[in-house]
Amino acid sequence: DTAVSQTPKYLVTQMGNDKSIKCEQNLGHDTMYWYKQDSKKFLKIMFSYNNKELIINETVPNRFSPKSPDKAHLNLHINSLELGDSAVYFCASSQRDISYEQYFGPGTRLTVT
Amino acid sequence: GQNIDQPTEMTATEGAIVQINCTYQTSGFNGLFWYQQHAGEAPTFLSYNVLDGLEEKGRFSSFLSRSKGYSYLLLKELQMKDSASYLCAGGYGQNFVFGPGTRLSVLP
Repeated sequence: DTAVSQTPKYLVTQMGNDKSIKCEQNLGHDTMYWYKQDSKKFLKIMFSYNNKELIINETVPNRFSPKSPDKAHLNLHINSLELGDSAVYFCASSQRDISYEQYFGPGTRLTVT
Repeated sequence: GQNIDQPTEMTATEGAIVQINCTYQTSGFNGLFWYQQHAGEAPTFLSYNVLDGLEEKGRFSSFLSRSKGYSYLLLKELQMKDSASYLCAGGYGQNFVFGPGTRLSVLP
């Protein structure tokens, strides 16, 4: 069984479109995260959710909005996509907070044309 | 900000030992993680240090000095499959910051 899964794995879309990336974890973890890894391979945290509460919100554009329908899911919605949004987006989860090991999903490669 | 620095690239020979260093800002620091990331794959957890000293886990060991803002990852008996990026990451309160990663190439 996959611990942390993301869909889709690849996403190619045009500038100005709105898209969503879904993430699910079956580990029973309390906290989920979204990361962006750019072309230089720099991994940067975007959001984390703990029991449906946003506890970290990095200075990302408000075009990005995380949505958590329940503890096992944290989806990422992106409005008005821009070229600079092209990157690999990773979802992750940890048992409690950031002081615990994080388990990463396989990543979603987003290409904006 | 919480700057985390590590060398960009390193090269070592199969069977050798390599040490990957990481320096970080100590203000607000909670603990230090190391993750491994193979090309095209997700990061996977290697170690977590909160207290000073060396933590050994098989071929991999991680060291932390809180007063110096310094950590290293030690890889022994290098294998070809150890070719990957090694990411140092620090916890700061509720924030989590990754370093730029060190790309390690293991040569035969």
